[in-house]
Amino acid sequence: DADVTQTPRNRITKTGKRIMLECSQTKGHDRMYWYRQDPGLGLRLIYYSFDVKDINKGEISDGYSVSRQAQAKFSLSLESAIPNQTALYFCATSVTREADNEQFFGPGTRLTVL
Amino acid sequence: EDQVTQSPEALRLQEGESSSLNCSYTVSGLRGLFWYRQDPGKGPEFLFTLYSAGEEKEKERLKATITKKESFLHITAPKPEDSATYLCAPHLGTGGFKTIFGAGTRLFVKA
Repeated sequence: DADVTQTPRNRITKTGKRIMLECSQTKGHDRMYWYRQDPGLGLRLIYYSFDVKDINKGEISDGYSVSRQAQAKFSLSLESAIPNQTALYFCATSVTREADNEQFFGPGTRLTVL
Repeated sequence: EDQVTQSPEALRLQEGESSSLNCSYTVSGLRGLFWYRQDPGKGPEFLFTLYSAGEEKEKERLKATITKKESFLHITAPKPEDSATYLCAPHLGTGGFKTIFGAGTRLFVKA
């Protein structure tokens, strides 16, 4: 089945470390997204990419960077991790279609910054 | 400022006990509203898109409805397997991409 995968699924790191979360998809979708989810809050958009050459900041991009290596791959980096970046991170994809933008989510990466 | 509020935060039902979840929003430029289901330890899974007031969509025991300021997810005769967190997400037609997710309603259905 066409899918969205994320690696690693769990990660514990220390303050100040650089960390990369990876997302791959076999859905053939052009659009890819990174979200974080915190208890009691809705999903918040970090970055999104409508194609390989198009990268856009979302609501909460400070402290994060991304790389769109190919249509199927979108990586999220924390250059210098801090404890308040502890959260559940989701990658998502969607088709390029004006009217509908329902998203397909990966299984998530649980990140803990000590 | 665009805002989305889901209520209640948590809902406990007996199997077969019908109820409704609410999503109220104050947004500019609404193009559509999504409902997602999220199981523990998993990513959200798409359920419905609603586009205009009065529209309804159904899937098994779920029916989603929408007015100009709120949407409801009605659950008829729920089963334990309906237990999950349900997220609503207005999608806006402003510049760029903007879908605002609510914090969700955690539904527990007891057999």
